[in-house]
Amino acid sequence: SAVISQKPSRDICQRGTSLTIQCQVDSQVTMMFWYRQQPGQSLTLIATANQGSEATYESGFVIDKFPISRPNLTFSTLTVSNMSPEDSSIYLCSAIPSGGLNTEAFFGQGTRLTVV
Amino acid sequence: GENVEQHPSTLSVQEGDSAVIKCTYSDSASNYFPWYKQELGKRPQLIIDIRSNVGEKKDQRIAVTLNKTAKHFSLHITETQPEDSAVYFCAAPSDTGRRALTFGSGTRLQVQP
Repeated sequence: SAVISQKPSRDICQRGTSLTIQCQVDSQVTMMFWYRQQPGQSLTLIATANQGSEATYESGFVIDKFPISRPNLTFSTLTVSNMSPEDSSIYLCSAIPSGGLNTEAFFGQGTRLTVV
Repeated sequence: GENVEQHPSTLSVQEGDSAVIKCTYSDSASNYFPWYKQELGKRPQLIIDIRSNVGEKKDQRIAVTLNKTAKHFSLHITETQPEDSAVYFCAAPSDTGRRALTFGSGTRLQVQP
């Protein structure tokens, strides 16, 4: 299993500013991902955080808007840049522990972002 | 990429009744199908999953069935309890060989005491 800690848990930000969300896993993981969950909606994959290289972004998400870092196996950050009210959402970090194929994906508690 | 459809969007049952949530997927190569439960304000948590080499899996009051030919899988909850009230999401791998997930739209289950 894996315990995932995200911070901050919530924030209220001014439009035009940027927020960096941190994700720390308590054990080595093979894969880390960032999802967005708008209020009352499902989870949408933003990108796969690759260790030591550029993240792999899904359609509709770009590096300039959502830069991601993953300097080691257990830590990743997601930055929401030049925020607008449309970025208000819950951002979730996810990780799959090392070993096996298609093992359980664990989630952080989420970061609730409100842009005003 | 994968496309996952889920229904119903809301489901209300009486305590003790059964609940069934259904999902379809598009990629015939998908081989792993998890179900997540998300309580209000909490993180999604895996409750059961199934791999494509089996047709059914049970864990106490929860079961999942998979029909690979029809490309659909279902979550069955028996003897529902008020604490089962939550949003349930099905998922499938986003692309063949990837471990990122594509989620269904979610089902809000309300168990009436």
